Amino acid sequence: GAGVSQSPSNKVTEKGKDVELRCDPISGHTALYWYRQSLGQGLEFLIYFQGNSAPDKSGLPSDRFSAERTGGSVSTLTIQRTQQEDSAVYLCASSLFLAGARLSYNEQFFGPGTRLTVL
Amino acid sequence: DQQVKQNSPSLSVQEGRISILNCDYTNSMFDYFLWYKKYPAEGPTFLISISSIKDKNEDGRFTVFLNKSAKHLSLHIVPSQPGDSAVYFCAASGLSNFGNEKLTFGTGTRLTIIP
Repeated sequence: GAGVSQSPSNKVTEKGKDVELRCDPISGHTALYWYRQSLGQGLEFLIYFQGNSAPDKSGLPSDRFSAERTGGSVSTLTIQRTQQEDSAVYLCASSLFLAGARLSYNEQFFGPGTRLTVL
Repeated sequence: DQQVKQNSPSLSVQEGRISILNCDYTNSMFDYFLWYKKYPAEGPTFLISISSIKDKNEDGRFTVFLNKSAKHLSLHIVPSQPGDSAVYFCAASGLSNFGNEKLTFGTGTRLTIIP
């Protein structure tokens, strides 16, 4: 069975340009998460989607970051006017969502990540 | 403000011996803890978890110990095998005041098993 896939695997861009990162979650997983890992840091939560509910955007570091999830499946993370501090590995994860269960009890399956380098 | 800390960036252990990876946390609201393992160029994969109502959880060669009073948990791998060489992330969650929760990750420890 297919796991979580992300594209591109690597992206090099110039400061000030916009980038789009794509995530294809596991089929049937209604919960989708974006994280990033900067050099020497842990995984930092960015945004969380669950079904048709409003996304939890509390981890987005600035208004240059936005994400969409179309049709409850594929998600795109967009970074506008990229800065050098945006350089990181961006990871997407998906999980089942069991109503009434603690969110963190649902195992998150991660994609391989997109390594973003802003020059 | 790093709420989950893995103070050892790297650890080398002889094959067959015990590997002990440590994790400390500061947020007393955390009540569920997980370990993830990551190979190069792959995403992290879930390894083992523990709820704060327990102080130990075991799964094969992997055991996680939780010391709530010290806000400390550790992952024991015994016996260590070459395939265990990876980066290990500790993560924690707890219900926030807003009723939602998210995982807070440590910075990871790179474990190298020496044949």
